[in-house]
Amino acid sequence: GAVVSQHPSWVICKSGTSVKIECRSLDFQATTMFWYRQFPKQSLMLMATSNEGSKATYEQGVEKDKFLINHASLTLSTLTVTSAHPEDSSFYICSARPGRWGNQPQHFGDGTRLSIL
Amino acid sequence: KNEVEQSPQNLTAQEGEFITINCSYSVGISALHWLQQHPGGGIVSLFMLSSGKKKHGRLIATINIQEKHSSLHITASHPRDSAVYICAAESYNTDKLIFGTGTRLQVFP
Repeated sequence: GAVVSQHPSWVICKSGTSVKIECRSLDFQATTMFWYRQFPKQSLMLMATSNEGSKATYEQGVEKDKFLINHASLTLSTLTVTSAHPEDSSFYICSARPGRWGNQPQHFGDGTRLSIL
Repeated sequence: KNEVEQSPQNLTAQEGEFITINCSYSVGISALHWLQQHPGGGIVSLFMLSSGKKKHGRLIATINIQEKHSSLHITASHPRDSAVYICAAESYNTDKLIFGTGTRLQVFP
């Protein structure tokens, strides 16, 4: 079945560091990838929609300069948390949809647990 | 009121029991998703449905479009079914997923 690989799975770093998270679709091309954030015991919150070859679309309240998204190829999207602070500590998860049309389910990565000290 | 509501929030069951998780939504949808999230955080897509009923192994998902309601059933539940089950409505207008708050299921041997 379709596989989405997310890396790294766990990051601990100092405040002020920038952290890059990769999301790869391993066996399909993904025109659209999604980035979500999840706080403990809460549901997923969509941060942005990443479209191959164009700028990401950010949800209201999500700082685009803080959370940089690059979707340079049909199999890779990256999320960079710039100058991370403790309040950025969270679980980040990506998903990818095969193909160009909305009739396929999203496939999720295993998530990245980010802890900023 | 949330656009996607799930019940119950928490559910405990004995191994072998039949389990039902309910989801109601208030938005126009192109599809309804059921997802499973394990303690480590990884998410698996269980079902994507826009009408009727789907079955995969011991899992059954149904949807009633007129009533804007979906159910996820687990037959002969097993401890390995313990996870958070999330209902997500795919918005007809935007293709974005709107998530319910999840149902935490624990199945005891």
